[in-house]
This record gives sequence, C-alpha cells and structure tokens, in this order.
Amino acid sequence: AIRMTQSPSSFSASTGDRVTITCRASQGISSYLAWYQQKPGKAPKLLIYAASTLQSGVPSRFSGSGSGTDFTLTISCLQSEDFATYYCQQYYSYPGTFGQGTKVEIK
Amino acid sequence: QVQLQESGPGLVKPSQTLSLTCTVSGGSISSGSYYWSWIRQPAGKGLEWIGRIYTSGSTNYNPSLKSRVTISVDTSKNQFSLKLSSVTAADTAVYYCASSPSSVGPNWFDPWGQGTLVTVSS
Repeated sequence: AIRMTQSPSSFSASTGDRVTITCRASQGISSYLAWYQQKPGKAPKLLIYAASTLQSGVPSRFSGSGSGTDFTLTISCLQSEDFATYYCQQYYSYPGTFGQGTKVEIK
Repeated sequence: QVQLQESGPGLVKPSQTLSLTCTVSGGSISSGSYYWSWIRQPAGKGLEWIGRIYTSGSTNYNPSLKSRVTISVDTSKNQFSLKLSSVTAADTAVYYCASSPSSVGPNWFDPWGQGTLVTVSS
C-alpha cells in the first residue's frame, strides 16, 4: 500500500495566518490526491480533489498544489472555523490510503 | 444531494461479527454514478478504507481486512451493509459510510455519513 506522510503532525496558528500543510506519498501518485477537513465528533469533509480542484462550496482561501509525490494544502487567511484536523488521501491505487492527519490549533 | 446514515449495534463481543447498515437518501443507490464505501477511524487515530461496493454487487476490499469483510447492497431498500467477522478490540472505531464517484480505481469520498461508534468488548 502507498504510505502517505503529512507534516507537521500539529501546529498552532492565529486567525489571519497563512498556513501550509505538506503531504508526501511513498511513490508517485500523479495528481490523485484529495484533502479533507475533520472537526471533533464530525465526519471528514472533502475540500480538494485531483490535488488542486476545489470542491463545490469550499471557500477559496483553501488551495492545493503538487503532483507526483509532494503535495501541499494552503489556507491563505486562517479563519476561526478552520481550526480542525486535515487529512490527505491518495486514490492512485488500491487501497486508497490516508495520511495520519495534521491538527491545526489556536495559538 | 445524497445523504448517508449508518446504523447498527454500538457494542459487539470479541470473536463475533460486526454488522452495520448505511441508508442512502436523496438519491438512488442504483443510479450507477457512485461507489459505496466503508471507512473506519479508531479513537484519536487516522482513517482506514475498508472496502466498497457498486450497485451491481461488484466489490473491492482493503487487503488488510479482506479475509474478514463482506460488503453487500440491497437496492430495494437503498442500503448497503458491512459485516466484519472475528472482531477484536482493535476493531473498535467510528465506522463511516461514504460515496465516491464511479471509477475503475479508487476515488475520493463525498459525502460521508455522520459515523457510528462500534466498541468491541465483552
């Protein structure tokens, strides 16, 4: 199975900050990457698919980039509702696998 | 917009079979537009894809669980189900059902059900 590694595992930030989360695949996955946001007690919510395509209804402050093995999720101006855990997921090959998550906490 | 809702026992004894059902509303499970998946998340941990089914009954399973998993579909009830046999404490998790666009290979997941906690304990 393809291993997905996110960094950092957690960090603190302030509202208004620009934040970047990195996801690295153990082998090339082209652009077959999705990003999710999960809040405590809730199901994950799809933010981005195909590495950079914003899901309908997701604010434009979220953006994704990358291809091959290295990907980033950027939040351009962190809002209070963005404090959550973020997961990447590859769907290049079976089984689809997730990163371990990056928790964004309030500074 | 399709919505999904998980249901089933919240407590299962070790060595027994975990059984969950996902009810789809707002769309037909037979539409052919989606695959229907199960995903789980142990408390405080990451996400693990368990397997998926198509309206035709075609399935794909995670090799790590394949020997214990059965996913089935009931189009008359607009539901699909998960059975996980020989459970242990390691199978304690929140179980989610989710849909993904129809594709030959895996895909992203949207939307998700709200999740249901299943605890394995005697």
